[in-house]
Amino acid sequence: GQSLEQPSEVTAVEGAIVQINCTYQTSGFYGLSWYQQHDGGAPTFLSYNALDGLEETGRFSSFLSRSDSYGYLLLQELQMKDSASYFCAVRSSASKIIFGSGTRLSIRP
Amino acid sequence: NAGVTQTPKFRVLKTGQSMTLLCAQDMNHEYMYWYRQDPGMGLRLIHYSVGEGTTAKGEVPDGYNVSRLKKQNFLLGLESAAPSQTSVYFCASNVQGEVSQPQHFGDGTRLSIL
Repeated sequence: GQSLEQPSEVTAVEGAIVQINCTYQTSGFYGLSWYQQHDGGAPTFLSYNALDGLEETGRFSSFLSRSDSYGYLLLQELQMKDSASYFCAVRSSASKIIFGSGTRLSIRP
Repeated sequence: NAGVTQTPKFRVLKTGQSMTLLCAQDMNHEYMYWYRQDPGMGLRLIHYSVGEGTTAKGEVPDGYNVSRLKKQNFLLGLESAAPSQTSVYFCASNVQGEVSQPQHFGDGTRLSIL
């Protein structure tokens, strides 16, 4: 079957760096994506990794290791507005995109 | 610049009632999806469609039906609503269904079933 595991909650301090991990188990793998969702809002796309390594987009970076079935989202210079839930997502063997259960990031001043 | 529009935004139903949630996208996307989101459960795929006239089951399809008569619209139906279907429902679309192509989400429909 398909499954994604990520921590349910992470707490960090404003201005710091935080890493949100995701491990996955899928019959086929076509890449790992990350989405952000603020309370009461819709998920929005952050990043995508198809190949091993680090992808950087401003303060956010995403990493993938296909041999370890593992990826992470790295958020630098944390701001209060980064308080949100973060989801990893993979394409399953069909045309389905499956999401992890989400990591709630809380940022303290 | 509408993107993905969901109708209605809020609804309260009684057990046993039926209703249809409408999703409309103006980006000419082929793939459309319906998810439900419950506290601590993340997004779970209900049904999806890879093009006009096609539908397929996701992770949690029981109790729901869908139709994609027009490319831009994807309807989610509850024939006999149950309290377990109280949730926030999100519709999403993307170009080809590849994870590299971002999914565009609607603002959600908050559905309560009493």
